[in-house]
Amino acid sequence: NAGVTQTPKFQVLKTGQSMTLQCAQDMNHEYMSWYRQDPGMGLRLIHYSVGAGITDQGEVPNGYNVSRSTTEDFPLRLLSAAPSQTSVYFCASSYSPGVGAYEQYFGPGTRLTVT
Amino acid sequence: GEDVEQSLFLSVREGDSSVINCTYTDSSSTYLYWYKQEPGAGLQLLTYIFSNMDMKQDQRLTVLLNKKDKHLSLRIADTQTGDSAIYFCAESIGSSNTGKLIFGQGTTLQVKP
Repeated sequence: NAGVTQTPKFQVLKTGQSMTLQCAQDMNHEYMSWYRQDPGMGLRLIHYSVGAGITDQGEVPNGYNVSRSTTEDFPLRLLSAAPSQTSVYFCASSYSPGVGAYEQYFGPGTRLTVT
Repeated sequence: GEDVEQSLFLSVREGDSSVINCTYTDSSSTYLYWYKQEPGAGLQLLTYIFSNMDMKQDQRLTVLLNKKDKHLSLRIADTQTGDSAIYFCAESIGSSNTGKLIFGQGTTLQVKP
């Protein structure tokens, strides 16, 4: 299994440009999520999905869109990049345990710089 | 809103025990988690504890939960240089057990040989 993969690893955008960060998992996990990591702030949840066709907002959703057309893929779209979106972005996936713990597997991250 | 706080830095000598502390605010959290992040990598789940437990032991790791004080700790016995990393605690949001987590800022553990 490749686990959770993210592309690209690094990206530089100009203010106002749009782009899509890709995330894929091959573990047949229902639950997928996107976080951003900023220095001194831990990780903050952007959007999440409990299954194909179902997405919802996390703590910091503004400026980002997601869709989940397949179980495997969960892309994150930046509609009009802003310097405040400079961050490291992590995708994670987990099976949905019902009453158990969510054992989330994280991808290696995408480092995004917006100038 | 919900918040998770951790001290930012801990330095120990190889072979000593490390204790990383965390406080949280959501008393209805069902699970609390500890993650490890090595430089340039994503987060790796270390362990978790159900909210009605006081303690969980997993090899060199011991998690203690004081639900009254909303205090969580992670003890690493016989700390090795390979344990140097950033450690995050996280609480699940609300009582309905979703995968939505609130993370602390992370504690950087430095292990000196």
